[in-house]
This record gives sequence, C-alpha cells and structure tokens, in this order.
Amino acid sequence: DIQMTQSPSTLSASVGDRVTITCRASQSISSWLAWYQQKSGKAPRLLIYKASTLEGGVPSRFSGSGSGTEFTLTISSLQPDDSATYYCQQYKSYLGLTFGGGTKVEI
Amino acid sequence: EVQLVESGGGLIQPGGSLRLSCAASGFTVSSNYMTWVRQAPGKGLECVSVIHSDGYTYHADSVKGRFTISRDNSKNTLYLQMNNLRAEDTAMYYCGRAPSASYGSDYWGQGTLVTVSS
Repeated sequence: DIQMTQSPSTLSASVGDRVTITCRASQSISSWLAWYQQKSGKAPRLLIYKASTLEGGVPSRFSGSGSGTEFTLTISSLQPDDSATYYCQQYKSYLGLTFGGGTKVEI
Repeated sequence: EVQLVESGGGLIQPGGSLRLSCAASGFTVSSNYMTWVRQAPGKGLECVSVIHSDGYTYHADSVKGRFTISRDNSKNTLYLQMNNLRAEDTAMYYCGRAPSASYGSDYWGQGTLVTVSS
C-alpha cells in the first residue's frame, strides 16, 4: 500500500497567518490526492481533490498544489473557523485508499 | 439533496458480528465509488473497504477475510458485514461517496459507533 506522511502533526498559528501543511507519498500518485477538514465529532469535509481543485463551497483561502510525491495545502489567511484537523488522502486507482496521519491546526 | 445515513453500530463482544448499513438518498449508490472509513477514538482516518461502480471491491489488510463491503441496488444502500470482531475494530465508522475515480469523497454520513468489548 502507498504510505502518506503528513507534517507537521500539530500547528499553532494566529488569525490572518498563512499556513502550509505538507503531505508526502511513498510512491508517485500523479495528482490523485484529496485534502479533508475534520472538526471534532464530525465527519470529514472534502476541501480539495485532484491535488489542486477546490470543492464547491470551500472558501478560496484554501489551495492545494503538488504532483507525484509532494503535496501542500495552504490556508492563505487563517480564520477562527479553520481550527480543525486536516488530512490528505491518496486515491490512485481507487484501491487501498490511504490517509496521512493528520495535522491539527490550533488558533 | 444527497444524504447518507449509517446505522447498525453498537456494543459487541470480541468474535461477534455486526452489519453496518448506509442508506443513501439523492443519488444512486451503484453509480458511484463508495467507501467505509473508520476512526478509532483519538486516532486518524483509515479506509477499510471500497466498492467501485463496476462492483469491484477492496478491503484493507487489517480487515481482509473478516469484513465484506456490498450494496443492495434495490434499496440504494451500502453495507459492511463485519465478522470475528476484535477490540482494535472499535471505532466510528463513516460511509462516503465519490462520484468518480477522479474525486475524493464529497459526501459522508454522520457515522455509527462500533465498540468491541467484553
């Protein structure tokens, strides 16, 4: 299975900060990567798919980039509502879907 | 409106069986990629099973031979049959759907809690 490594595991930042989360795949996954936001006690919410495509209704301060094995999620101006845990997920061939370990963002 | 509603969780003894259901509305289960993702208390997300629109299924090594994903097209419902349950299967189980293999899971259920304990 493809392993996904996320960093950092915890991030503390202030309102208005630019925040970047990194995700690395153990082998090339082209652009088959999604980013999710999960708030405590809730189901995940899709933010970005195909590495850089913003899901409908997601604020434009969220953006994704990368291909192959290195990917990033950027929040351009952190807002109080962005306090959550963020996960990357690879879905190459839609087999053995794997998530990163998560990044908890504290504000 | 797209909705997914899970049910079937509960407290079960080790070695027991449960069947989780995920009732869908607003779309056709058989035309989408459907997943079961679990989250142990205080831990991250783990995808345990996937069923493709063509019926192909995949199960993670941690559940292979014990869990089976399936769907009932007439009921527009996704299932997860879980046998020989272990303490480490204790988790919130979510179903999710992706409209194609180019997408992540864009809709999720609220989750159903499975607790395996004697």
